[in-house]
Amino acid sequence: AQTVTQSQPEMSVQEAETVTLSCTYDTSESDYYLFWYKQPPSRQMILVIRQEAYKQQNATENRFSVNFQKAAKSFSLKISDSQLGDAAMYFCAYRRPNSNSGYALNFGKGTSLLVTP
Amino acid sequence: EAGVAQSPRYKIIEKRQSVAFWCNPISGHATLYWYQQILGQGPKLLIQFQNNGVVDDSQLPKDRFSAERLKGVDSTLKIQPAKLEDSAVYLCASSLDTGFYGYTFGSGTRLTVV
Repeated sequence: AQTVTQSQPEMSVQEAETVTLSCTYDTSESDYYLFWYKQPPSRQMILVIRQEAYKQQNATENRFSVNFQKAAKSFSLKISDSQLGDAAMYFCAYRRPNSNSGYALNFGKGTSLLVTP
Repeated sequence: EAGVAQSPRYKIIEKRQSVAFWCNPISGHATLYWYQQILGQGPKLLIQFQNNGVVDDSQLPKDRFSAERLKGVDSTLKIQPAKLEDSAVYLCASSLDTGFYGYTFGSGTRLTVV
């Protein structure tokens, strides 16, 4: 089974600064998908960014970007110009290629991000 | 578009009682997922439906958990009888077919078993 590891239970960043959240994963597949989700206290998981493993270019969405290192099986999230509204739990997730056994997400344990004024 | 609807938002029951959660996915989303999120952990898949058929229920504790999606639209997850360790948030998500373009989650039901 694929495992997703987030080694930072908590991170803190000052407003307007940059922070990087780490994620590593284990898989024997060559083609897969990776996601970062944000979960605020409302509990609803919100998609932040996604990356297809076959694409070498790192995904970017406004202030959010990833550093995807396929050989190292690393998928870190960089948040630039942090805002108070970025404070939340962040989950890294892996989705295996299409298969008969489904294509649900495999989540890490999460990183709690605190943003200070 | 309307999001994924879940109810109830909170539920407190005693151990050995039964409980049911309801989910209505985004209109047109063929695939529906139920996840269990224990405090301090990431969500764990319980069951995945494609229309009204089960694709993956390998992690569903079938001796006490059951789920159905009879008409391929809304779904119900049931626990009977509940144990203390079932205390968690139960999240429902849906996706357009295989989730290639992402998944939409509901706000979950927080279950407390006392």
